[in-house]
Amino acid sequence: GQSLEQPSEVTAVEGAIVQINCTYQTSGFYGLSWYQQHDGGAPTFLSYNALDGLEETGRFSSFLSRSDSYGYLLLQELQMKDSASYFCALNRDDKIIFGKGTRLHILP
Amino acid sequence: KAGVTQTPRYLIKTRGQQVTLSCSPISGHRSVSWYQQTPGQGLQFLFEYFSETQRNKGNFPGRFSGRQFSNSRSEMNVSTLELGDSALYLCASSLEDNEQFFGPGTRLTVL
Repeated sequence: GQSLEQPSEVTAVEGAIVQINCTYQTSGFYGLSWYQQHDGGAPTFLSYNALDGLEETGRFSSFLSRSDSYGYLLLQELQMKDSASYFCALNRDDKIIFGKGTRLHILP
Repeated sequence: KAGVTQTPRYLIKTRGQQVTLSCSPISGHRSVSWYQQTPGQGLQFLFEYFSETQRNKGNFPGRFSGRQFSNSRSEMNVSTLELGDSALYLCASSLEDNEQFFGPGTRLTVL
């Protein structure tokens, strides 16, 4: 089958850096996406890795290694507004498979 | 450009009833996907419609169905509601496969 694993919760301090990991098992996919969802809000797209390596978008970076079946989202200079749930997702030909999400808690 | 809209935002039904949810995608987006979100299971793919045709389907029972109209608006229907169908139902539209634009969701409560 296909599945993604990510930690259920992560806690970090305001101003620090945090990495949210995502490991997967699948037979094939186009790329790995990341979405952010605030409480009561809709998921919003953050980044997409079609190729191995690092993609940087402002304070957020995402990494993919197909050989290791692994990816991560890196958030730098954490702000309180980054408190949210973060989902990794595999883009396949037939559907997008989402992980169960990582709840990021940020301490002042 | 207006975002994805979903109606209604909140809905309360009782077991055995049926429900229809509506989604209007971003103008120009022809792909519409539906997801069920619950605290324990995260986002689970229901189905995707493209140009009025169901292109992909997730692992949900036949009680869950949908359709798409010529203007790309989509509806999903759940018949014979069960308590376990209580969830946030999210609709997403896309232009390119790598980015989904989500609506605010419909919060369905089944009593």
